[in-house]
Amino acid sequence: GDSVTQMEGPVTLSEEAFLTINCTYTATGYPSLFWYVQYPGEGLQLLLKATKADDKGSNKGFEATYRKETTSFHLEKGSVQVSDSAVYFCALSGISGTYKYIFGTGTRLKVLA
Amino acid sequence: DSGVTQTPKHLITATGQRVTLRCSPRSGDLSVYWYQQSLDQGLQFLIQYYNGEERAKGNILERFSAQQFPDLHSELNLSSLELGDSALYFCASSVEGRGQDTQYFGPGTRLTVL
Repeated sequence: GDSVTQMEGPVTLSEEAFLTINCTYTATGYPSLFWYVQYPGEGLQLLLKATKADDKGSNKGFEATYRKETTSFHLEKGSVQVSDSAVYFCALSGISGTYKYIFGTGTRLKVLA
Repeated sequence: DSGVTQTPKHLITATGQRVTLRCSPRSGDLSVYWYQQSLDQGLQFLIQYYNGEERAKGNILERFSAQQFPDLHSELNLSSLELGDSALYFCASSVEGRGQDTQYFGPGTRLTVL
């Protein structure tokens, strides 16, 4: 069935390190892809999104490219900060014309000063 | 602040009881979503409403039900509660509820079933 697979955390990095969080998906049709971030004690908020193949979403230094050939939407940031410490969720929606949303299990990122 | 409000913030109840969680969407948003977040299950999509009508259903148990009212606020009813229902329940809203729409999440209701 339709699913999202994220790399398991936690991911621990030093400040200014390069970040990659892997996300792959299985879906029929042409879903939209999202990265949401959840800071401690808060609800999720959209970080970036891409609605068709080869689109690149970007925000706050984070980027992800919708790769249909590898069914992936990996999140990257060139230089992380302590304030980026949070849980990151990959998600997809619009599977085969439905409105169903599927979230990955989340990847916890901890950035050390 | 996302503009989505949820009440109550915390809820502690006993097994077998029934509770109602309330959500008010952002002004202008017509669609509401409900999610359950637990440590072992991650974030699970429960149900979506658009302008008062059910639009999509996810992993929602039969003991759970929801509705969206004419003023667009939504309620999630959880009955015959079990220990395993303890979780964070999030509501989100979006403008039209389409697949590519951004969802705006509320702060959540933490439910503890004792």
